[in-house]
Amino acid sequence: QQQVKQSPQSLIVQKGGIPIINCAYENTAFDYFPWYQQFPGKGPALLIAIRPDVSEKKEGRFTISFNKSAKQFSLHIMDSQPGDSATYFCAASIDTGFQKLVFGTGTRLLVSP
Amino acid sequence: NAGVTQTPKFQVLKTGQSMTLQCAQDMNHNSMYWYRQDPGMGLRLIYYSASEGTTDKGEVPNGYNVSRLNKREFSLRLESAAPSQTSVYFCASERGAGWTYFGPGTRLTVL
Repeated sequence: QQQVKQSPQSLIVQKGGIPIINCAYENTAFDYFPWYQQFPGKGPALLIAIRPDVSEKKEGRFTISFNKSAKQFSLHIMDSQPGDSATYFCAASIDTGFQKLVFGTGTRLLVSP
Repeated sequence: NAGVTQTPKFQVLKTGQSMTLQCAQDMNHNSMYWYRQDPGMGLRLIYYSASEGTTDKGEVPNGYNVSRLNKREFSLRLESAAPSQTSVYFCASERGAGWTYFGPGTRLTVL
C-alpha cells in the first residue's frame, strides 16, 4: 500500500523552466514532509521540508506548496538548470522524536540546456 | 567529518549466503535507519534504531536483522540471502527535527 503517491514518474523541461512534482498522502497523522534529491550513484540528500502549519516554504530556487485539506504537497524548481537533473523523492513521516520516512516512488527530472 | 559511511559499496552473493552491511556515522546522532531502494518503489524502511540500545522493525524487515553496536554503528545482516533482496541499501542517521543524512549506499546483487 503506497501511502505517498508521487507524480509524474519522469519530467523533461528546458533550462529556465519550472518543473512541478506532486505528492499526495493518505495518513492525516503525517506532520513532516521533506523532499530529497538524488544523483546517480549517490544517496538521497535533504533538499527542503515543510510542516503542516504553513502553506508554502521557499529555499533558494526550491519551493514547497502544501495543501492540508487536499492532503497534497508539491515541489517547484524555479529557473531550473541542467545541474538540477536528478531524481526527486517526496516523503512523509510522523514526528515522534525520530523520523520513519515513507517515500514516494520518485520523479526523474531532466533539464535540457 | 565523514558523515554516514557504508561498507561495502558493492557486493554479489549467491542465494543462501550471509553477509553484514556496515554503517557508521560520526555526527553523534541518536537515530539511525536502514532503507532499501528498488526501481519504481522509492525507499522503504527495513529497520531503525531510535537510540543506542534500541532497534525496531520498519516496513519490510523480513529476512533481515540489525545490531546497534554503539551510538556510531548500525549494521544490517542478511542471514540467508535471496534474489528478492537484490537492491541498493542505504543507511541514514538523523540529527533531530527531521534532518536525515543518507550514506552513499551498498549495491547488493543476489544470484
